[in-house]
Amino acid sequence: GAVVSQHPSRVICKSGTSVKIECRSLDFQATTMFWYRQFPKQSLMLMATSNEGSKATYEQGVEKDKFLINHASLTLSTLTVTSAHPEDSSFYICSASGAGGVSYNEQFFGPGTRLTVL
Amino acid sequence: GQNIDQPTEMTATEGAIVQINCTYQTSGFNGLFWYQQHAGEAPTFLSYNVLDGLEEKGRFSSFLSRSKGYSYLLLKELQMKDSASYLCAVMTGTYKYIFGTGTRLKVLA
Repeated sequence: GAVVSQHPSRVICKSGTSVKIECRSLDFQATTMFWYRQFPKQSLMLMATSNEGSKATYEQGVEKDKFLINHASLTLSTLTVTSAHPEDSSFYICSASGAGGVSYNEQFFGPGTRLTVL
Repeated sequence: GQNIDQPTEMTATEGAIVQINCTYQTSGFNGLFWYQQHAGEAPTFLSYNVLDGLEEKGRFSSFLSRSKGYSYLLLKELQMKDSASYLCAVMTGTYKYIFGTGTRLKVLA
């Protein structure tokens, strides 16, 4: 149980284009979904938190107009990187809570999406 | 501010025991998680501590002292496949995770 998927696993795009990444909770309803970014040899940095049907809450320093998050249902959240630039190249990981677990609000992680902007 | 510190890199020998430390200062505390992460993959859950003391699970154990803001992950009988990054994450008062800097462990034959 508590499986989270992401699509695509890898994407390469040209500078200036937009890229959409999907995050799905496959066997539970996710009350909250989280988006992280991880640069090489660094840890996970939380970008934003989203609840179904409401606007995402962005962490300080994350541009909400550049990283659009939509949480339209209890099983799907999308992250769109608009007008991507090479510095946006990173590993993007989503997580979801709402399935219980060892702790209330434990997060279950997706497999990640490797974005490369040329 | 929120701060979680871990050593950047550690090296150990196959069959040995290694302890990875994590110190934290966060706004609120709802538990501490340890994750293993291989390069290019998502973090994999290892352990969770919310009360002081030691939690043991096979070759892995995790310890927490809330008064000291301190945790460690103990790996016994190291295997080559244990070479990975180990991430300490604190669930804060608002149920967000704050991740530590991560420790890259290299296991040598």
